[in-house]
Amino acid sequence: DVKVTQSSRYLVKRTGEKVFLECVQDMDHENMFWYRQDPGLGLRLIYFSYDVKMKEKGDIPEGYSVSREKKERFSLILESASTNQTSMYLCASSFPSTLAGVLIRTDTQYFGPGTRLTVL
Amino acid sequence: TQLLEQSPQFLSIQEGENLTVYCNSSSVFSSLQWYRQEPGEGPVLLVTVVTGGEVKKLKRLTFQFGDARKDSSLHITAAQPGDTGLYLCAGARLGNEKLTFGTGTRLTIIP
Repeated sequence: DVKVTQSSRYLVKRTGEKVFLECVQDMDHENMFWYRQDPGLGLRLIYFSYDVKMKEKGDIPEGYSVSREKKERFSLILESASTNQTSMYLCASSFPSTLAGVLIRTDTQYFGPGTRLTVL
Repeated sequence: TQLLEQSPQFLSIQEGENLTVYCNSSSVFSSLQWYRQEPGEGPVLLVTVVTGGEVKKLKRLTFQFGDARKDSSLHITAAQPGDTGLYLCAGARLGNEKLTFGTGTRLTIIP
């Protein structure tokens, strides 16, 4: 079974603190994603990584950065936490859906259990 | 910009009733996925539909992809308390590894 783990289930931080959220997957997936989930807004993509050291901004990257030094690990960094970053953060991983521009599969994203971050 | 709108946002019904959840967009997707998220967990894939007009059944759940591949519906027959959760649709585009998630429908089945 695919397993995606996140370093903390609950986290409380103060405004201005630097926050690290860690995600590890054990299925050798190339793709990894960070989302935030807020009521009524569904899941919004913060950053996406398709390979080690490769990243793309998602829909809401402002205030966040990411790091992917190893294939299995994808970190989300809040350089200076603010109260509007209080949210549920979800990490996901998947195999690529295309190879050399050709669609090879419509792939499942496998999610971790989430980290509920509160910034005071 | 939220490209996938789900309705209703909240739905609370009695056990045994039927219900339909809708996922609508003005954009075309190459495939559409439905996920269910239970409290304290991440979303889990239920089904993927890839062909316009496609209907897939998963026990009491019926998923349909619109003919124009812009919308989808999820119909649950004889709802059970175990169906309680947040249902999310997600659209995929050819050549794009990212999914666009819907706004979500929170379903509560009352025993």
